[in-house]
Amino acid sequence: DTGVSQDPRHKITKRGQNVTFRCDPISEHNRLYWYRQTLGQGPEFLTYFQNEAQLEKSRLLSDRFSAERPKGSFSTLEIQRTEQGDSAMYLCASSKVGHSPYEQYFGPGTRLTVT
Amino acid sequence: GIQVEQSPPDLILQEGANSTLRCNFSDSVNNLQWFHQNPWGQLINLFYIPSGTKQNGRLSATTVATERYSLLYISSSQTTDSGVYFCAATGNQFYFGTGTSLTVIP
Repeated sequence: DTGVSQDPRHKITKRGQNVTFRCDPISEHNRLYWYRQTLGQGPEFLTYFQNEAQLEKSRLLSDRFSAERPKGSFSTLEIQRTEQGDSAMYLCASSKVGHSPYEQYFGPGTRLTVT
Repeated sequence: GIQVEQSPPDLILQEGANSTLRCNFSDSVNNLQWFHQNPWGQLINLFYIPSGTKQNGRLSATTVATERYSLLYISSSQTTDSGVYFCAATGNQFYFGTGTSLTVIP
């Protein structure tokens, strides 16, 4: 049983560029979550999907952020017109409805640096 | 939203010592989880514990949901226990505390 995987692990981009991250959840996990973590802070919830439906979005998810999970499997998080304040670790997690629906398993994260 | 507070913010232990980490939450929650974030940033599940007590080796956790707190016990600490410990409480959304940074020195 492979864990949650994220790609890329590190991304350096210039301000104003668009970036896209990918998350592959644990197979058969139908819930997928995105979080952002800045230095010295706990992860902050961004959004979550159940299958392909996006059920919750945080106010942190500005118009420049969009997340998709088109077939209910992997998910992508896109940030448009990146700003230096977007520099953070972006974490993905998954869980399985019907088992312990809120027990989340995290991927290794994508560290974004905006220069 | 739910406020999650963890204490202490920092903890330094001699190898072999015991410790208790605390997590208080402001409102009733459906679920509570403890994580260990290693120096590489990976969040590792420790306990899923909305109520009651669980033990896993040298670690154990207790959640008293009616009093809105959870405790994580680490016994006979080892240097590999170093890192940041987070609790996360979930209602409709998911809220993490600011963590306890643990350093175990040999």
